[in-house]
Amino acid sequence: QQPVQSPQAVILREGEDAVINCSSSKALYSVHWYRQKHGEAPVFLMILLKGGEQKGHEKISASFNEKKQQSSLYLTASQLSYSGTYFCGTAAAGNKLTFGGGTRVLVKP
Amino acid sequence: EAGVAQSPRYKIIEKRQSVAFWCNPISGHATLYWYQQILGQGPKLLIQFQNNGVVDDSQLPKDRFSAERLKGVDSTLKIQPAKLEDSAVYLCASSLDSSGMVETQYFGPGTRLLVL
Repeated sequence: QQPVQSPQAVILREGEDAVINCSSSKALYSVHWYRQKHGEAPVFLMILLKGGEQKGHEKISASFNEKKQQSSLYLTASQLSYSGTYFCGTAAAGNKLTFGGGTRVLVKP
Repeated sequence: EAGVAQSPRYKIIEKRQSVAFWCNPISGHATLYWYQQILGQGPKLLIQFQNNGVVDDSQLPKDRFSAERLKGVDSTLKIQPAKLEDSAVYLCASSLDSSGMVETQYFGPGTRLLVL
């Protein structure tokens, strides 16, 4: 089953923060985060594993709440380059990666 | 290091025609994936290969879609005959191993298909 992402879209000013959530109804083993710019391939940001630590990529970090089967992606002090669509992909034990519907992020000057 | 290569980048066909897409994964990557991404949605897995064997094709519409990876390297995805609802971006990805739960998948630029 497809994970649910929220919000569907967010508009930020440069330097502002945002949080993107990814929820699943299944017990998860891993959560993968990707960013896709218009007309381009999804680019890998980070993987979070069950029992693992919070990860970071530049000023983008993420956490994984195993009890809630939810992951959150934190965009801190956003830059213009952070604009794009963010996808979470979730995998339960033994299952394939399933992607959410995406969260569109627009960072304005 | 060269990334995942795909061709063509764009294709426009009429319904009921056939079309084929090609993918060359990152060198040394054993696992290859084909995804369909409809506008405004996340990628949906169509088929996963481990070397030249199929690991998962549960979401592949087998009455019209076929895929092969004969020598365990590059792969071809075919649609025959195409329907209007096949209009989408077809993404190819590869990873070192088959454990998709923890392996990073690297995506190619995709082929944008428009069926008229």
